[in-house]
Amino acid sequence: GESVGLHLPTLSVQEGDNSIINCAYSNSASDYFIWYKQESGKGPQFIIDIRSNMDKRQGQRVTVLLNKTVKHLSLQIAATQPGDSAVYFCAETGDTDKLIFGTGTRLQVFP
Amino acid sequence: DAGVIQSPRHEVTEMGQEVTLRCKPISGHDYLFWYRQTMMRGLELLIYFNNNVPIDDSGMPEDRFSAKMPNASFSTLKIQPSEPRDSAVYFCASTKFRDLTPLHFGNGTRLTVT
Repeated sequence: GESVGLHLPTLSVQEGDNSIINCAYSNSASDYFIWYKQESGKGPQFIIDIRSNMDKRQGQRVTVLLNKTVKHLSLQIAATQPGDSAVYFCAETGDTDKLIFGTGTRLQVFP
Repeated sequence: DAGVIQSPRHEVTEMGQEVTLRCKPISGHDYLFWYRQTMMRGLELLIYFNNNVPIDDSGMPEDRFSAKMPNASFSTLKIQPSEPRDSAVYFCASTKFRDLTPLHFGNGTRLTVT
């Protein structure tokens, strides 16, 4: 399934550099945040999550930072690889079981 | 683990026809979600089920859309009659826990209504 169209914000990075993808969320009651990666023709794939009682969480080559004061979430990818090229979505959920997705950022990795 | 399985992968139909999209969640997952993805609106939650019971259908666009989950291993999303503006990629997702960790998506059904 093609993810989103031509009007997505795009981040272009060189292979080996670090990438930072940002997301602003709207609901101050949200207490759980997730980053998803969507490759062309596929469904979103879970990358990493963080709860509101934390401000940083690290995974393999990825780090998520949460700033509740300004309602901002970021995803850092270390040593970006061509396989990281995809659309990245942040998602939030709060006092309901609903997971609400942001509009997405396209990451392009060039050699 | 086969993951969430959706069928068909592609569906092309004429306006006015009935369309049925199918989903098999991961075994043991108690929550099932239907999302729609378009260029204009991104990923939108349509409806979700818990233990086969619809919990929130506030995202369903209109009465032309309906969803069922007759058992824990199968769900359908039906559009009748279909319209060109229904063209989108429809995703099904499932998870075991209420905290949605993590939500597993299928690869979607691309629907084109001409």
